[in-house]
Amino acid sequence: EVQLLESGGGLVQPGGSLRLSCAASGFTFSSYAMNWVRQAPGKGLEWVSGISTTGAMIHYADSVKGRFTISRDNSKSTLYLQMNSLRADDTAIYYCAKKRLQYNWNGEFDDWGQGTLVTVSS
Amino acid sequence: DIQMTQSPSSVSASVGDRVTITCRASQDISNWLGWYQQKPGRAPKLLIYAASSLQSGVPSRFSGSGSGTEFTLTISSLQPEDFATYFCQQATSFPHTFGGGTKVEIK
Repeated sequence: EVQLLESGGGLVQPGGSLRLSCAASGFTFSSYAMNWVRQAPGKGLEWVSGISTTGAMIHYADSVKGRFTISRDNSKSTLYLQMNSLRADDTAIYYCAKKRLQYNWNGEFDDWGQGTLVTVSS
Repeated sequence: DIQMTQSPSSVSASVGDRVTITCRASQDISNWLGWYQQKPGRAPKLLIYAASSLQSGVPSRFSGSGSGTEFTLTISSLQPEDFATYFCQQATSFPHTFGGGTKVEIK
């Protein structure tokens, strides 16, 4: 059974930093591109960032480019999101999500974690 | 960036009703389109991939159609557990944009 378990969320002041982790199990982590998606309170889904199987290819939403850094450690089956210069509008539940297709940059997200809440407030 | 326009934003329906949700892409995405269901306090769940393929374990009352720029999600006979919010997503170009969502409410 695929499991994705996010951690690292919490309350942080504007301008602060947080590092989110997503521990994966139940599948060959190194074979799938991974992504972060967020959802502000009462709002829709916003794709945040994606990383290829080896980490060689990375994309970011314009809203986080230059502030957030996605990475992965295939030896630990873990995905990360380093978030710097946090703003109030970064407040959201952050989900990690697995691509449906192996070794493919395209494709939908067939498994999601339960999410971790990030609150940016003074 | 590819914009995904979803309609309606909400729909009121009764158990047994047929419900149709539409998603329009601002440019051709072939069939790289997924539909997700989200219930309050829960993560999204993939229902349909490749525009029309049913994800494993999803009831057959859910179906998807379309290609290019126009897509449809249909629930053939609404069940109590189907009251939720539904999102479309294009999965071919970064950013992998989502539609704004359709909330299916009890009439």
